[in-house]
Amino acid sequence: EVQLVESGGGLVQPGGSLRLSCAVSGFSLNNYWINWVRQVPGKGLVWVSRIKTDGSDPSYADSVKGRFSVSRDNAENTLHLQMNSLRAEDTAVYYCVGEEARFYYDTSGFSGYYYYMDVWGKGTSVTVSS
Amino acid sequence: DVQMTQSPSSLSASVGDRVTITCRASQSISSHLNWYQQKPGTAPKLLIYSAFSLQSEVPSRFSGSGSGTDYTLTISSLQPEDFATYYCQQSYTLPRTFGQGTKVEIK
Repeated sequence: EVQLVESGGGLVQPGGSLRLSCAVSGFSLNNYWINWVRQVPGKGLVWVSRIKTDGSDPSYADSVKGRFSVSRDNAENTLHLQMNSLRAEDTAVYYCVGEEARFYYDTSGFSGYYYYMDVWGKGTSVTVSS
Repeated sequence: DVQMTQSPSSLSASVGDRVTITCRASQSISSHLNWYQQKPGTAPKLLIYSAFSLQSEVPSRFSGSGSGTDYTLTISSLQPEDFATYYCQQSYTLPRTFGQGTKVEIK
């Protein structure tokens, strides 16, 4: 069964650090990416970061670039979101999300990949407050 | 960044109604458009990918359409379990961006 389980959330002071973890099981290492998406309770979804399941090719939203970093722990099949210099506006529920890539080739001769977030963890709550 | 604008922000409907939610991208996203459903206190769930492809085990009353910049999610006959918030999301480019959500409430 494909599963993502987040951990590591909690209360941290502004300027502090926190490391979120996402335990991955049931994924093929091919054609999958792991995203972090956050949501302030009662508000919308905001993409934060993405990394390939082999730990390569990380990307970040401008709002977290230089403060957050993603990495993979090969031994434990776990991905981490290291969050430094935290701000009050980083307060949110953070979801670990599996994004599948599906190849397409259309009648016009174009080809590429469709990406869609089809596996979501339950989320872990981060509160940045003094 | 590609901006995604959903309309309406909320709607009230009755069981059995046909419901349509629209999503407009700030540039062409070539059908790289996904729809998600979120119920309170739970993670979002993928409904539709690549604009019109129904995700496995999603009821056939959900359908998606559109191209270029304009996309639509349709629920053909609203069921009690469909009352939720719906989000569109573009996967054409990074950063991934979501619409602001459409809350479907009971009339």
